[in-house]
Amino acid sequence: NAGVTQTPKFRVLKTGQSMTLLCAQDMNHEYMYWYRQDPGMGLRLIHYSVGEGTTAKGEVPDGYNVSRLKKQNFLLGLESAAPSQTSVYFCASSHGSFREQFFGPGTRLTVL
Amino acid sequence: DQQVKQNSPSLSVQEGRISILNCDYTNSMFDYFLWYKKYPAEGPTFLISISSIKDKNEDGRFTVFLNKSAKHLSLHIVPSQPGDSAVYFCAASGSGGGADGLTFGKGTHLIIQP
Repeated sequence: NAGVTQTPKFRVLKTGQSMTLLCAQDMNHEYMYWYRQDPGMGLRLIHYSVGEGTTAKGEVPDGYNVSRLKKQNFLLGLESAAPSQTSVYFCASSHGSFREQFFGPGTRLTVL
Repeated sequence: DQQVKQNSPSLSVQEGRISILNCDYTNSMFDYFLWYKKYPAEGPTFLISISSIKDKNEDGRFTVFLNKSAKHLSLHIVPSQPGDSAVYFCAASGSGGGADGLTFGKGTHLIIQP
């Protein structure tokens, strides 16, 4: 089992460009999450999904969109990247009955 | 306003001694608490958790204590080993049953000195 994987690992964007981060999990988990981590900060929830075809806003959703077309995948989109979105992005998943979340290795995004 | 606080950005402990990491929370709706360990350039990994109906949970060298009245929890690592050097995050889950994500503290960087 690969667990939670994230693509890409690193990316540099220019202001205004768009991109999609892909998260995949092979644990058949119902719930999936996107977090961002900034220097000296804990992880903050961007969006989450409790099942295929459903998404909801987290603590810091502005500037991001998400989609969960398949149970195993959760996509995070930036339509028009801004320097404030420079961060490390972590995807996580969990089984519906349990609180423990399993995290991917992260995507380091720099917006110039 | 921070709902989960880890007031010590870093902690240095000698190998073999006890490491105690502290966490405070303000939201009374939190009913489940977790500790995650994070190495540089990796994702957080789950360490140990505790439900609000308990006051202690133990797993090998790791023990988490919960004091609900003080809204305080702590992670004890005994004995501390060099591989324990990492950033430790305290996280809390609310009454949504975990579906609505975790709230994290800022983390404590634990350094184990040989």
